[in-house]
Formats: sequence, C-alpha cells, structure tokens
Amino acid sequence: EPEVTQTPSHQVTQMGQEVILRCVPISNHLYFYWYRQILGQKVEFLVSFYNNEISEKSEIFDDQFSVERPDGSNFTLKIRSTKLEDSAMYFCASSAGRNLDTIYFGEGSWLTVV
Amino acid sequence: QKEVEQDPGPLSVPEGAIVSLNCTYSNSAFQYFMWYRQYSRKGPELLMYTYSSGNKEDGRFTAQVDKSSKYISLFIRDSQPSDSATYLCAPLTGGGNKLTFGTGTQLKVEL
Repeated sequence: EPEVTQTPSHQVTQMGQEVILRCVPISNHLYFYWYRQILGQKVEFLVSFYNNEISEKSEIFDDQFSVERPDGSNFTLKIRSTKLEDSAMYFCASSAGRNLDTIYFGEGSWLTVV
Repeated sequence: QKEVEQDPGPLSVPEGAIVSLNCTYSNSAFQYFMWYRQYSRKGPELLMYTYSSGNKEDGRFTAQVDKSSKYISLFIRDSQPSDSATYLCAPLTGGGNKLTFGTGTQLKVEL
C-alpha cells in the first residue's frame, strides 16, 4: 500500500535553531499538507500546497514557517527559529486530488524544542 | 464555542460491545464528515466519511450525521481490542480539503 514517509521520526533541537522536517508524499499525489498535534491536543491544520504554491494556511503558519517542494519527491516544512511551543508531532499528508478519501497521513515527526 | 467538540474519554468497553462515538460542530458550512482513527504516536487514518445528513455503513462501522442538530456519530459493532485507538471526527466544507479535527475520543476495548 502506498504511504507517506516522514523524516526524522524524532528531533530534539535548541530554542532558536532552524529545523527542517521532510516528507515524501505518495508519488502521484498533487496536494500536500502539514498538520501538527501538540501533546494531548487536537490535530491542527498548518498549510496546504498545490502546484508549487501555498493554497491555504492557518493563523498558526506565521512567518517563521515555510514550505517547499525542492524536487519532484520531497516536501519540506522549515521552522526558522524554533520556540518551546513548537514542540509537537508534525504530520505530513498528501492527496491525489480534492477527493476526500485520498488524503493519506504520514506517521509524523516528533519535534522537541528545549 | 469550539468548531468541533468531542468527549475525550477514555471510553472503556468489553470486547463485543457496541460503541457509540459522538461529535458536535458549530459551522453550518460543513458538508462532509470524516472519521479518522489514530493509534498512539501514529498518523490519522481515514475510516469513512459521509456527505450531508444520513447514515453510511462500512462493515462493522456506521457513520450517522444529523445536520439539523449538528451532531455526528460513529457506531462500532462487535468491538475488538484492535479497535482501541483515538477516534477523530473531522468535518469539511464543500470544495475544501482543510480538515478541522475534534480533540478525539480515546477508546479502549478490553478482553
């Protein structure tokens, strides 16, 4: 079964450092997303990406966040200057189209900011 | 009022029980109603979804939507220990694919 893969599975970083979380979406998918889940809280939408540009973003996705699809396979989330409150599980997802049953999530990257 | 609300649980049931998981929402623009299952430290996995009001059945799972009362339910028949997970409702507006998740209900099915 196709899957979304994410690296790293866990990263510990110091406050103020830059972090890049990587995702390899399912190969024929066109829409890409990042969500995050702070421990014990709900999964929250960060950003969606289509046709090499952001199609929608939440208020959480401020100037310290950026996304990029640097090549044909990877989709990255960069956090420029991490804060303690950025500690969370970050999920990448992808979908073939706007069909609702084609959104697949990766297993997540757990980010701990110390 | 939160956009999507779920009782966080945990809900503990014996194996074989019928489970009812519920969700309320406030946004009248929601038209699609997704149910995701999330195992501990894993990504959400789509179980099923319904459009507008009504019922939809898939194996042991039945999703029910009452748009008039903004109330969503997921029923699990003959529950199994492997059903132990957190169940997330995630409604969606028509034409969009930005999911708005509830906090999820943690379910434990015990032998």
